[in-house]
Amino acid sequence: TQLLEQSPQFLSIQEGENLTVYCNSSSVFSSLQWYRQEPGEGPVLLVTVVTGGEVKKLKRLTFQFGDARKDSSLHITAAQPGDTGLYLCAGDEGDTGGFKTIFGAGTRLFVKA
Amino acid sequence: DTGVSQNPRHKITKRGQNVTFRCDPISEHNRLYWYRQTLGQGPEFLTYFQNEAQLEKSRLLSDRFSAERPKGSFSTLEIQRTEQGDSAMYLCASTPGDRVGNIQYFGAGTRLSVL
Repeated sequence: TQLLEQSPQFLSIQEGENLTVYCNSSSVFSSLQWYRQEPGEGPVLLVTVVTGGEVKKLKRLTFQFGDARKDSSLHITAAQPGDTGLYLCAGDEGDTGGFKTIFGAGTRLFVKA
Repeated sequence: DTGVSQNPRHKITKRGQNVTFRCDPISEHNRLYWYRQTLGQGPEFLTYFQNEAQLEKSRLLSDRFSAERPKGSFSTLEIQRTEQGDSAMYLCASTPGDRVGNIQYFGAGTRLSVL
């Protein structure tokens, strides 16, 4: 069974600080997605990365897919209180024959004003 | 289209009762997923459908759980003889299935509380 480990599990920072969240696995994924989830709601997609070494930027968020497609990181610059939420990475087995998606346990981010 | 819709949003039941949840995916999305999420954890995969065919089931899906997707449109998840350990958020997601990256669109979930 493929597993995705996210770190840190919890992060509390001041507005304006930078942070990086990590998503690691010993397995190769055909793609990785990052979602953000707020209390009482379903996850909402932020980005999907497909190519090893790929870097994508979404305003103050920068996503990177590891060269070997086993890990990914999310970097937030100048965090704002609106960034507060649960950040989830998810891996797609894809070309291993199925489309089962594995989620990490998430990183809960709290940005204080 | 307003996105993935799940009903009910909340369900409180007594142990031993049966419950059924419904998910209406985004129109023309051919792949539909069910997940279970407990507090402080990420969603755990339960099962998924490609059109009306159920292609994979997690070992988490015991004999008390059954899911259907008749005609490849909406889906239902039934839990028989509920137990307190079944208390969780049940999430549904759909995807077109034709794009690289398997982007999933989630509903708001059904929160189940078993007393």
